[in-house]
Amino acid sequence: DADVTQTPRNRITKTGKRIMLECSQTKGHDRMYWYRQDPGLGLRLIYYSFDVKDINKGEISDGYSVSRQAQAKFSLSLESAIPNQTALYFCATSDSRTGPTEAFFGQGTRLTVV
Amino acid sequence: RKEVEQDPGPFNVPEGATVAFNCTYSNSASQSFFWYRQDCRKEPKLLMSVYSSGNEDGRFTAQLNRASQYISLLIRDSKLSDSATYLCAVEAGGFKTIFGAGTRLFVKA
Repeated sequence: DADVTQTPRNRITKTGKRIMLECSQTKGHDRMYWYRQDPGLGLRLIYYSFDVKDINKGEISDGYSVSRQAQAKFSLSLESAIPNQTALYFCATSDSRTGPTEAFFGQGTRLTVV
Repeated sequence: RKEVEQDPGPFNVPEGATVAFNCTYSNSASQSFFWYRQDCRKEPKLLMSVYSSGNEDGRFTAQLNRASQYISLLIRDSKLSDSATYLCAVEAGGFKTIFGAGTRLFVKA
């Protein structure tokens, strides 16, 4: 089983719908991240969290919100999906107790907004 | 200016060739540096960390130049299996990791 699990793996949704992407990890890491990947733009940071009470905006947080329900769970919500949010979304974790802090990624969620 | 910029690629090289990728970063306070490999439709995975003294892992060598704010990855004796996208990553201020856009490498027989 994957150490960082994302659900769903694929999703097609309509413009204006609310959608939640979930991420859970069994690595015991304190830091969790959400990235989106678009062709030619690489991975862009949406939100990150260093513990349950800590949430930070990344490069492109507009239109997204997150919730860190527990150390092992970090969900990403699109309150009202729009077509330019069509992308591959990755959750990642890292451990602040080790350094340098390698990021471990989930398998990704391919989201299409029509 | 993007925080992390990479050679746009793609790089098309024959088997056995040596290929080098460069990556520049804008935040001089950056502390940690990495190269990740991403296969098509897969998640990125760490290839190697980059240390000030440089480091080598088999056919792969990574170097850091803090004065010029760039990191490099050298792949010697390229294999078909090296075909992938290579992402540089920088742990910037606030301990968040920022990635470059990636450089695609195609190794041909």
